[in-house]
Amino acid sequence: GAVVSQHPSWVICKSGTSVKIECRSLDFQATTMFWYRQFPKQSLMLMATSNEGSKATYEQGVEKDKFLINHASLTLSTLTVTSAHPEDSSFYICSARSGAWEAFFGQGTRLTVV
Amino acid sequence: DAKTTQPPSMDCAEGRAANLPCNHSTISGNEYVYWYRQIHSQGPQYIIHGLKNNETNEMASLIITEDRKSSTLILPHATLRDTAVYYCIPRGAGNMLTFGGGTRLMVKP
Repeated sequence: GAVVSQHPSWVICKSGTSVKIECRSLDFQATTMFWYRQFPKQSLMLMATSNEGSKATYEQGVEKDKFLINHASLTLSTLTVTSAHPEDSSFYICSARSGAWEAFFGQGTRLTVV
Repeated sequence: DAKTTQPPSMDCAEGRAANLPCNHSTISGNEYVYWYRQIHSQGPQYIIHGLKNNETNEMASLIITEDRKSSTLILPHATLRDTAVYYCIPRGAGNMLTFGGGTRLMVKP
């Protein structure tokens, strides 16, 4: 299958700082990228959907000013967690899709805010 | 999106076939059935998808009932590396994937 690379795999940051997570589609052009969050022992929860060159669409309850999403090219999307707090500690996963076909996932980023 | 019902957990002996059921009785005519799995602390991995015909690839087989209200994912010869949470997700073309609870498959030696 297609390859989606997410970086970093894990990050520890201090409370109040911002963290940027990158998601790249390595061998295809991703017209749509998705960002998910997963808390321990829970399923993936969709945070937002972004189409290249457009503003992201956020799911209900997800603060767009706190979770900044940029999808400036067909191979790169970034998620910035601004002013991170311990409750933002989670496993963040991106997914990329070309057209209507199946989506492929990155390996995830474990964020720990201390 | 259609709701799904999957058993929360299953065990399977290594080398045996693992049959994972999924009920999606409210699936609509244009929704495909997608299967993904998530190994611990990794992103989900695509396995297979189908509309109404049975499908097979190098990873698994997908059996969809004629009325499309349920499906079964078959791992023909389960290995320890197949231990994961398996998600059955009905999805219309172009729609996003909505994850339910999935089935935690434990393959035992």
